[in-house]
Parts: sequence; C-alpha cells; structure tokens
Amino acid sequence: KNQVEQSPQSLIILEGKNCTLQCNYTVSPFSNLRWYKQDTGRGPVSLTIMTFSENTKSNGRYTATLDADTKQSSLHITASQLSDSASYICVVRADNTNAGKSTFGDGTTLTVKP
Amino acid sequence: SQTIHQWPATLVQPVGSPLSLECTVEGTSNPNLYWYRQAAGRGLQLLFYSVGIGQISSEVPQNLSASRPQDRQFILSSKKLLLSDSGFYLCAWRNRGGEFFGPGTRLTVL
Repeated sequence: KNQVEQSPQSLIILEGKNCTLQCNYTVSPFSNLRWYKQDTGRGPVSLTIMTFSENTKSNGRYTATLDADTKQSSLHITASQLSDSASYICVVRADNTNAGKSTFGDGTTLTVKP
Repeated sequence: SQTIHQWPATLVQPVGSPLSLECTVEGTSNPNLYWYRQAAGRGLQLLFYSVGIGQISSEVPQNLSASRPQDRQFILSSKKLLLSDSGFYLCAWRNRGGEFFGPGTRLTVL
C-alpha cells in the first residue's frame, strides 16, 4: 500500500531559527515528490517538485532534499519568518501519466513565534 | 497562466439539505480535475477525479457526487448532507508536474 508519512506532526520554533521537516514514503513506482505549503483556510501552494534524478531543490529559504534509495525527503526552512507558520504537505506521485495517483502525507504544522 | 476558482468560499448548511460546490479553471483546456476533502488537522482525501466532460471517477463511496458539465467546470453535489460531510473542500487541476489547488470551500454541516 502506498503511504507517505511526515514528521513531526507539529513543530514550534522561534523566528529566525532553522527547521527541517521529514517525509518518508513507500510509493511505487515513483514519479515525483512535491512539497506544498498550506496557510490556514487556504489551498496548498507548491514549493518544490523533485523527480527521481534530483536530490535537492531550492525555492528561496526553502530547500528540499530527496534520497530515492531510502525513500526519504526533507524540507529545510532557513531563517524562519512568522509568515512561515503553516501546514507543510509532502505528496508523492506514483507515475507521470495524467491518471497517476498522488499520495498525500498528513502534513506538519509549523508555528513560528516571535 | 492557469487560474482555478471555487465558490462559495464558506457555507453553513443544515443536515439533510442539498449541496452544490462549483469549481472552474481558466487558462487551460481539457484539464484533469479533482475534488479533495480535508478534515480538520488531517491530510487530503481524494473524492473524485475527471479526465473529461461527463467522465467521473469516484475514489471513496459516500453520499457525494460529482459532475463535469463543461470542459473547465467541475461540480460537487449532495442530495442530503450529513454531519460528517463537514470539512474543507479543495478543487485541483493537474499536469505532469503536480496539482494546482483552488482556494477551497469551508463547509459546516449543523
């Protein structure tokens, strides 16, 4: 069964600090892995997308890594800001066809405090 | 660029009442469209997807239904709402890169 597990479930950090969110998956075959940011009451917005051959992708202060051998990904946030408070969702796509299924993690809720 | 719209943004309905949520996409043709539900503090659950007009696939058996009357319009409906239908409903379209989500509809069933 395809699964995506994220940890921690929630995280509280002080403004300016760094943090790393984890995503482990068992989806097969693997097509791509995406990280989304979801602000409260809003739709998720894509941060990064990585295919099998990519092991790191950056988007501003967000850096995602992928280890396809161990089926792990991480999202590192540098110099956190209050606006980073949100839910971060890891999504793994099973294949690159339009019918390919996506498996969603339950998300990590990040709270950045001043 | 592609834009996805959902309405209404929020909705409060009594148990047993009907439901109709609408989603429209601009800037793309023949998109694959999806309805997801997100319960409070939980992940996204795929409800329906559509690869074309009149083509609906259901992922989870429930009292909801979906229709695609036009290429860029996707509708989520129910004849009689249940308390358990409360949640955050997201419409999305997808290309090979990934899903692009609408702003969502917050549904509260009382």
